[in-house]
Formats: sequence, structure tokens, C-alpha cells
Amino acid sequence: DQQVKQNSPSLSVQEGRISILNCDYTNSMFDYFLWYKKYPAEGPTFLISISSIKDKNEDGRFTVFLNKSAKHLSLHIVPSQPGDSAVYFCAASGSGNTPLVFGKGTRLSVIA
Amino acid sequence: DTEVTQTPKHLVMGMTNKKSLKCEQHMGHRAMYWYKQKAKKPPELMFVYSYEKLSINESVPSRFSPECPNSSLLNLHLHALQPEDSALYLCASSQDWGNGYTFGSGTRLTVV
Repeated sequence: DQQVKQNSPSLSVQEGRISILNCDYTNSMFDYFLWYKKYPAEGPTFLISISSIKDKNEDGRFTVFLNKSAKHLSLHIVPSQPGDSAVYFCAASGSGNTPLVFGKGTRLSVIA
Repeated sequence: DTEVTQTPKHLVMGMTNKKSLKCEQHMGHRAMYWYKQKAKKPPELMFVYSYEKLSINESVPSRFSPECPNSSLLNLHLHALQPEDSALYLCASSQDWGNGYTFGSGTRLTVV
């Protein structure tokens, strides 16, 4: 059973517009969530995180929203840029010796 | 130093070869991880070392043998691999379990 789900395998957005990537999780023990960006043939790069005590975390063009009751988080990128084109992985972990669990990723294409 | 360094970046090996993948970090992280990533799939956890002790083995075949010689180094010894083992092998580290992961850029392994 997949504990972290990214139901959209791909997303296309025009440059300058907002990109919204969604992620759902099933394990109520998860209390820390991260977004990673991955270019082909490279390792994932940490983008932004949020702990379960918050519902929003912002870093420049990137904002992550957490809705604990819905077990849902989203990553907003605004304005989107062509260099943002990559695969975005949502990941989650619980406290106390639990490794990251990754979603399957969403491929974002930002079109100039 | 805020990086995880993996060598080699690319490796082609035959099914009877023995080779090793290396991972190094000097951030004082005490947890280190091996992940395997196939094309268009999320990273899959293989092994976790915590304080130089193997803590998790995700039912990985014995043809993959991890080793943690010290707190900064993590090796993955490969022997008698199959073509289906061809993938991107990622090393990661974190200060402790669950968050603050830093990934290396990976080793692209091809088994012929």
C-alpha cells in the first residue's frame, strides 16, 4: 500500500503562472514532509519542508501547504520558470527512526 | 562541506564482476542510506545505517552488500548482479533519522 501518493504523473504550466503540485498521505504517524526536485541522472535536491505543527511554509517562490485533517499537502511555485522543469517528489517521515517514504513524483514542465 | 559525494558517477559491469559504489559525507551526519531508483519511479530504500550499524535492510538480495567503515563512508559492494539491477543508486545522509536528508548525485549503474 502506497503511503505517499502523487496522483498526477505530469503537469504543464506556462512560464510566469502558478504551478501547484499535490500530495496525499495515508499514515497518520507522519509528522514531517519534504519536497525534492530531481533532474535526470541526478540525485534529488531538497526544496522545502514542513512539520506537522505548521500549515504553511514559504521560501521565495516556493510555498508548501499542509492540511492535516485531509492528509494532503501541496507545493506552490509562483511564478513558474522554465528552470523549474523537473520531477518533484513528495516525501514524508514520522518521528523516531522512520526513513523517508517517497511518492512516485510529478513531472513539471514549464513552457516558455 | 555540505555535500554527499558518490563515486563513480557511471559504472558498467558484467554479471560476473565484483564492483563497489562509494559514498562520503563530512557533515557529521550519523544516518546514511542507500536508495535505488529506476526510470520514472521514486527512490526505493535499500539500506539504512545509523551510527555505523545496519538498521534497516529492505529485503535486498545478497548480491548487494553494504558496508559502513566509519561515520563518513558508506560502500555498496556488488557481485553477480543481473541486468534488471541497472538503475541509479543514490546515497543520502541525515543528522538523524527522518529529516534533513542530503542526497548524492548518484551512480548510474548498467549491468550487461
